[in-house]
Amino acid sequence: KNQVEQSPQSLIILEGKNCTLQCNYTVSPFSNLRWYKQDTGRGPVSLTIMTFSENTKSNGRYTATLDADTKQSSLHITASQLSDSASYICVVSPGRSGGSYIPTFGRGTSLIVHP
Amino acid sequence: GAVVSQHPSWVICKSGTSVKIECRSLDFQATTMFWYRQFPKQSLMLMATSNEGSKATYEQGVEKDKFLINHASLTLSTLTVTSAHPEDSSFYICSALDWGGNTEAFFGQGTRLTVV
Repeated sequence: KNQVEQSPQSLIILEGKNCTLQCNYTVSPFSNLRWYKQDTGRGPVSLTIMTFSENTKSNGRYTATLDADTKQSSLHITASQLSDSASYICVVSPGRSGGSYIPTFGRGTSLIVHP
Repeated sequence: GAVVSQHPSWVICKSGTSVKIECRSLDFQATTMFWYRQFPKQSLMLMATSNEGSKATYEQGVEKDKFLINHASLTLSTLTVTSAHPEDSSFYICSALDWGGNTEAFFGQGTRLTVV
């Protein structure tokens, strides 16, 4: 069964600090992994998307890494801001040859940035 | 990036009435769309997978007669909550699958449904 596990479940940090969110998956075959940011009451917004051959991808203060061998990904947030407070969701899509094309969602990490 | 428009963004309805939520892919054709439900401080829960021109596939525990899904065109899927009750109050989100390139799913803005 395809699964995506995220940790920690919740995280509280002070403004300006860095943090790293983790995502482990068992989805196979693998197509791509995406990190989304979901503000309360809003739809998720894509931060990064990574395919099998990509190890690191940055989007401003967000840097995602992917280790396809160990099936792990991380999202690093640098110099956090109050607006970073949100849920961060890891989503892994299987390759089409695998039959199921439905993306598998992690439960998300709730990040709270305090002033 | 691709845009998915969901409408309305919020709706309040009386118990027993039906509510329709629309999900449109604005700049790509989406043969596959997904409908999710999200309760406060919980993760997205997949309700059903909507395929253009065919019947939707519902997840276990989701009543297909309660949540009617129609995907009549390549850019529009609708979710109708029939005979709504207060327990149906939730945040509903759609996403559309863009098969091109990285097969990426793009999300709508979500609809906050409140049944009174």
